[in-house]
Amino acid sequence: QKEVEQNSGPLSVPEGAIASLNCTYSDRGSQSFFWYRQYSGKSPELIMFIYSNGDKEDGRFTAQLNKASQYVSLLIRDSQPSDSATYLCAVKGHTDKLIFGTGTRLQVFP
Amino acid sequence: DAEITQSPRHKITETGRQVTLACHQTWNHNNMFWYRQDLGHGLRLIHYSYGVQDTNKGEVSDGYSVSRSNTEDLPLTLESAASSQTSVYFCASSSGLAADTQYFGPGTRLTVL
Repeated sequence: QKEVEQNSGPLSVPEGAIASLNCTYSDRGSQSFFWYRQYSGKSPELIMFIYSNGDKEDGRFTAQLNKASQYVSLLIRDSQPSDSATYLCAVKGHTDKLIFGTGTRLQVFP
Repeated sequence: DAEITQSPRHKITETGRQVTLACHQTWNHNNMFWYRQDLGHGLRLIHYSYGVQDTNKGEVSDGYSVSRSNTEDLPLTLESAASSQTSVYFCASSSGLAADTQYFGPGTRLTVL
């Protein structure tokens, strides 16, 4: 079992819709959770992080964490074609090392 | 502005040659990391450092080495390049604070022929 799992996609959504990206993790000791966006040929850039159970909102983005189910998600409201990218879920335990999922490719079509 | 840079951005080399990829950060971060990214595998940790003179192996460290002589730099050396090391390499740094994450450099695309 992989430590951090994501559906590789592609996830295709129409412009203006809500995109829902999901991630599960295996280590119950994981403490913090990050979502990165990576455009083709570019480096990952941080979108959001979350530490506590529940929802955290930042603009069009909402991160959701459920530690009991070992599940973290990212919602993108009013999706735009510029949101088309690969979204990486990363999990950190008690060290500063991140464990990454393989990413979900999102396609937003006009 | 603080940043993290990598050089070269593209490199083509031959099997068996020694190659060094540079990583330089001006964040004054204690922690630095090297990853490789391959299709189907995502980002995999090669080596990491929590400070000057500290280095540690990651999950895919065979064939790679690092040294940390100052805060700003963590060069990655491929002792004898192999075709299996063809990949995109990313350097990252972080402050190490619980509320902080890793910030990535632009990457180096390495091709071993």
